[in-house]
Amino acid sequence: AQRVTQPEKLLSVFKGAPVELKCNYSYSGSPELFWYVQYSRQRLQLLLRHISRESIKGFTADLNKGETSFHLKKPFAQEEDSAMYYCALSATSYDKVIFGPGTSLSVIP
Amino acid sequence: DAGVTQSPTHLIKTRGQHVTLRCSPISGHKSVSWYQQVLGQGPQFIFQYYEKEERGRGNFPDRFSARQFPNYSSELNVNALLLGDSALYLCASSWGQSNSYEQYFGPGTRLTVT
Repeated sequence: AQRVTQPEKLLSVFKGAPVELKCNYSYSGSPELFWYVQYSRQRLQLLLRHISRESIKGFTADLNKGETSFHLKKPFAQEEDSAMYYCALSATSYDKVIFGPGTSLSVIP
Repeated sequence: DAGVTQSPTHLIKTRGQHVTLRCSPISGHKSVSWYQQVLGQGPQFIFQYYEKEERGRGNFPDRFSARQFPNYSSELNVNALLLGDSALYLCASSWGQSNSYEQYFGPGTRLTVT
């Protein structure tokens, strides 16, 4: 069965420090992977997807098929990065999107 | 465009009752998906409708049903409510059926079952 795990419920880092939000998945094929973000009092929104291979707001995510991971990284955390982050997976472009439990990131000034 | 809108914002129901939640997609979007988000968990997929047809269904009992109207708005119906149905129900719209199209989420409807 497809599953997404995010081992950290809470993550606190200091402003300017590097941040890494971990995501592991279980799926035998080649899934589509996403990171979603929800800022305080805002709606859930797409941050990035692995097929785009782009950097959004300084964040990047690399798909590691060997380790079945899709960790989200940013070299220098900013206070405005504080939010809830969800990793998500879809088996194919037309399959349902499965979300992980989320990691709450807090950037300390 | 106000984005995806959902109504009502909050709802309190009693066990055994039924509930109807409504979603209006962004203008031009033809796909609507519904998610249930229980406190402390990520959203869980319930349904996707595209061009008024069900295109995907998550692991939810038959008490959950939905439909999409000619104007692409959608309703989620839940019958015989259980305490465990208490959750935030999210609607998301996108231009097409594929996940290649970005999903835009609504603010959600908070359902409390007592």
